[in-house]
Amino acid sequence: RKEVEQDPGPFNVPEGATVAFNCTYSNSASQSFFWYRQDCRKEPKLLMSVYSSGNEDGRFTAQLNRASQYISLLIRDSKLSDSATYLCVVNRPGNAGNMLTFGGGTRLMVKP
Amino acid sequence: DTGVSQDPRHKITKRGQNVTFRCDPISEHNRLYWYRQTLGQGPEFLTYFQNEAQLEKSRLLSDRFSAERPKGSFSTLEIQRTEQGDSAMYLCASSFRDRIYEQYFGPGTRLTVT
Repeated sequence: RKEVEQDPGPFNVPEGATVAFNCTYSNSASQSFFWYRQDCRKEPKLLMSVYSSGNEDGRFTAQLNRASQYISLLIRDSKLSDSATYLCVVNRPGNAGNMLTFGGGTRLMVKP
Repeated sequence: DTGVSQDPRHKITKRGQNVTFRCDPISEHNRLYWYRQTLGQGPEFLTYFQNEAQLEKSRLLSDRFSAERPKGSFSTLEIQRTEQGDSAMYLCASSFRDRIYEQYFGPGTRLTVT
């Protein structure tokens, strides 16, 4: 079983739609959670952290369910520029500190 | 541009050859990471430096792989006796000491082993 699992998609949605991605993680010792965004043929970039109480950044809302080891990302009012791969990222406590484990990503395509 | 830079951007090599990649992190960042990414997958952690010390290595990093960061600034990743399975994008990232999860990635080096 992968440490971080995501539906690879693609999710094809029209502009203005609301879309949600989910992610599950296997290491119950993980304490920190993030969403990164990766455009086609580009490097990943941090989109937002995910806090226990849930958090919002503009059109983006992230939520965490520790009991179910589940993280979600909701995008409202989708824009063409939101088309990208969204990577769910979880810290993996290691001998020398915390490392990041990336999911395989969920691909989003927003159509006009 | 003060972001993370990597060189070369593309490398095509024949099986069995050695290759070396370079990463220059953001200058104030003391942590540097190497990842490997294949098509349709997320980045996989390879190794990590804090200043010049290599503090963790993934099991993915076989004996043919070695990484250095001799002066705590730039880093090199060498692959000896390349195999076709080594074909991937090799990504470097760096972070501040106190913001280790906010990793800034370079554009990557795409390796193709023929």
